[in-house]
Amino acid sequence: SQQGEEDPQALSIQEGENATMNCSYKTSINNLQWYRQNSGRGLVHLILIRSNEREKHSGRLRVTLDTSKKSSSLLITASRAADTASYFCATDGGTASKLTFGTGTRLQVTL
Amino acid sequence: GAVVSQHPSRVICKSGTSVKIECRSLDFQATTMFWYRQFPKQSLMLMATSNEGSKATYEQGVEKDKFLINHASLTLSTLTVTSAHPEDSSFYICSARIPGPKNSPLHFGNGTRLTVT
Repeated sequence: SQQGEEDPQALSIQEGENATMNCSYKTSINNLQWYRQNSGRGLVHLILIRSNEREKHSGRLRVTLDTSKKSSSLLITASRAADTASYFCATDGGTASKLTFGTGTRLQVTL
Repeated sequence: GAVVSQHPSRVICKSGTSVKIECRSLDFQATTMFWYRQFPKQSLMLMATSNEGSKATYEQGVEKDKFLINHASLTLSTLTVTSAHPEDSSFYICSARIPGPKNSPLHFGNGTRLTVT
């Protein structure tokens, strides 16, 4: 399987804390993307980082990419209860179309 | 607002019947759509790539006669689960890209939860 892996599988934090999720993948990539999924819903795109980028920010999100280690991390700062969701990384494996999703991290943010 | 609409959101059917799921791109044309399957608390597994006007491309291990895909127009792809069995119960999600730069993000429908009794 070319599916990436994420850790932790589940993460529970209190509101205001930071949440860090890690993703490892197996193939070369053009870019890596992070998606969020609320329970029982479709996925929503959060951020894309290209293979020649090392770090990217978007609001409270910070993504890093280390292509030598084939890994990426997603940091959510000052978490909110509304951030409770599953988060997936996705890689394109160098092709133009197909995305392969990681195993996901279930984040629970409590008040 | 939503750019990909998926219908129905939930369906319960009896074993042996067929179920059709629709995926529509709103306000844009999608020559390619993607169908994923997701088991509880697991990741998305790509089932097939739906190509407008031509045959779908199925991933290894996915039965094309079991999961029929039709992409007859630039805004509609359908997935039909034929002769459904309880093991077909799952969450099915479609996605598409708005035409633009290569590797632009996917936009997902809200998924269809299929329960086969």
